[in-house]
Amino acid sequence: DAMVIQNPRYQVTQFGKPVTLSCSQTLNHNVMYWYQQKSSQAPKLLFHYYDKDFNNEADTPDNFQSRRPNTSFCFLDIRSPGLGDAAMYLCATSRGLAGGSYEQYFGPGTRLTVT
Amino acid sequence: KQEVTQIPAALSVPEGENLVLNCSFTDSAIYNLQWFRQDPGKGLTSLLLIQSSQREQTSGRLNASLDKSSGRSTLYIAASQPGDSATYLCALRVDNQGGKLIFGQGTELSVKP
Repeated sequence: DAMVIQNPRYQVTQFGKPVTLSCSQTLNHNVMYWYQQKSSQAPKLLFHYYDKDFNNEADTPDNFQSRRPNTSFCFLDIRSPGLGDAAMYLCATSRGLAGGSYEQYFGPGTRLTVT
Repeated sequence: KQEVTQIPAALSVPEGENLVLNCSFTDSAIYNLQWFRQDPGKGLTSLLLIQSSQREQTSGRLNASLDKSSGRSTLYIAASQPGDSATYLCALRVDNQGGKLIFGQGTELSVKP
């Protein structure tokens, strides 16, 4: 049974046209993360939510926003996608922030293409 | 600043061979280390998690070790199979940074029949 679900799996958007990616989880985890992975690169954290507390990475562009309306759902909004935003976007969850036993569970990812 | 390095970047082996993937890191202040598998165009599948206080973890044909003092982890795959072909990523969960994972660049493994 899927635990971290991402929709859509593939998204094509036009340059400058806002796009929203969706993530949902059935694990009831407190923390939800969004990572960006460009081709042949390591995933890089954009931001995370601990419950309703939003934490942005220092180098995440302002073009990227996130919403978490409830425990189960988290959205990634790209306000004006550029060609450089084409990437795989990975959502992950974790029961907590600190602690060695907390594992991160990843969804299947959304591959974003910008035309 | 934590840096994670994986060597080699790519590895090709014949089926049945035992192999070791390497991960090194610069800062030992970690909560845990996870090894992931990523198939082309797919998300990440967690293989093993080693807590900071542990030395190794095993799951089936996989064994992961952690040596914090030397800043090294290895993933040992026994009796490799073509289905093991994928990119393997190690990631560190760091202290005082919101539990974020810092990833290595990965090792692309190809197991030839």
